[in-house]
Amino acid sequence: EIVLTQSPGTLSVSPGERATLSCRASQSVSNSYLAWYQQKPGQAPRLLIYGASSRATGIPDRFSGSGSGTDFTLTISRLEPEDFAVYYCQQYGASPLFSFGPGTKVDIK
Amino acid sequence: EVQLVETGGGLIQPGGSLRLSCAVSGFIVSSNYMSWVRQAPGKGLEWVSVIYAGGSTYYADSVKGRFTISRDSSRNTLYLQMNSLRAEDMAVYYCARGVPAAGTFDYWGQGTLVTVSS
Repeated sequence: EIVLTQSPGTLSVSPGERATLSCRASQSVSNSYLAWYQQKPGQAPRLLIYGASSRATGIPDRFSGSGSGTDFTLTISRLEPEDFAVYYCQQYGASPLFSFGPGTKVDIK
Repeated sequence: EVQLVETGGGLIQPGGSLRLSCAVSGFIVSSNYMSWVRQAPGKGLEWVSVIYAGGSTYYADSVKGRFTISRDSSRNTLYLQMNSLRAEDMAVYYCARGVPAAGTFDYWGQGTLVTVSS
């Protein structure tokens, strides 16, 4: 069974700064089926990145994804006030078929 | 415009049954894979089940044998039949539309809360 680990658990960042979030898989994620979501309190998750590095429709270019195999990164180049949220990575293809990481909370420093 | 609207949540006793519905608009429910994802209070996201365009279904081990995913193309609606409910099934349940060949979900409903308590 594949396990996704996200680090750090909480990231305190000032607006305008860069945030780097990590997602590590216990086994290789096939075909880079790795996605990132943003979730704000009381809201559904919002797709940011799919295929490890492709931005979803309407996502600002300050969000970027990279990585392959077992190590993936979400970078937010310059944090805007609306970016403070919880971020989840998600894989497809291993057992279980879909799974999410535990999340990284990005809060205001 | 793509929309997904979940209904059917509520308070149910342990051991009881509940059926969630997800009415979709802006696309055909059977044209994409569709999933249910849940989130326990204050916790992270947990994938529950998927139904592919061809009709194949898969479940998380935690719900296998108790939950059944289905769809009705005439109503353009996705369902989740939940039986033998446990306290650990209490969560907000989201339906989500799959992105073909990407293994991810691009549209989500607003969620419906299932509370399992005596």
